[in-house]
Amino acid sequence: GENVEQHPSTLSVQEGDSAVIKCTYSDSASNYFPWYKQELGKRPQLIIDIRSNVGEKKDQRIAVTLNKTAKHFSLHITETQPEDSAVYFCAASSGGNNRLAFGKGNQVVVIP
Amino acid sequence: DAGITQSPRHKVTETGTPVTLRCHQTENHRYMYWYRQDPGHGLRLIHYSYGVKDTDKGEVSDGYSVSRSKTEDFLLTLESATSSQTSVYFCAISGSGSSYEQYFGPGTRLTVT
Repeated sequence: GENVEQHPSTLSVQEGDSAVIKCTYSDSASNYFPWYKQELGKRPQLIIDIRSNVGEKKDQRIAVTLNKTAKHFSLHITETQPEDSAVYFCAASSGGNNRLAFGKGNQVVVIP
Repeated sequence: DAGITQSPRHKVTETGTPVTLRCHQTENHRYMYWYRQDPGHGLRLIHYSYGVKDTDKGEVSDGYSVSRSKTEDFLLTLESATSSQTSVYFCAISGSGSSYEQYFGPGTRLTVT
């Protein structure tokens, strides 16, 4: 099945700087790649996603890029703010029935 | 948040007792999923459902069973709880077709003593 890996596990950035989280996936048939944000004690929230027919997608301060050849996709957060501090999970479609395979998550800490 | 609720939100139980967690949705979505979340492991799929009475195993299904008798409810049962099943359990839903977007419920924190 699909295997999704995230790097780095923890990322600390100064407020106002950019943060980049990279994920790799193993199954070339995967065609949907979402990112979730989870604040402490809360549910994972879908923040952005990308499909395999698109190379980049932006939504205000966040963007996702996809490199199908290299089988990796990245989350970019610009002008980071303290409220961006959270755990971020990437995922990739895995088989049918709308299943997703998740990475283990990245802790992002924005230092004021 | 999508119309997903989970009950109970917190539960403490003893080893060997049966436990049932409930996920309820008001979105009429076809697909429902149960995940467990543990530190260092991310979200792991336990079981999922692709329709009423249609379920299948995920990657960590041992010790768990599920049932879906109507579209809106998906039950997760631990037949005989063990300490290794102490975890946070999330339900998620997804619509029909190949949209793939999944939306999560608020979670249930289960402690097995």
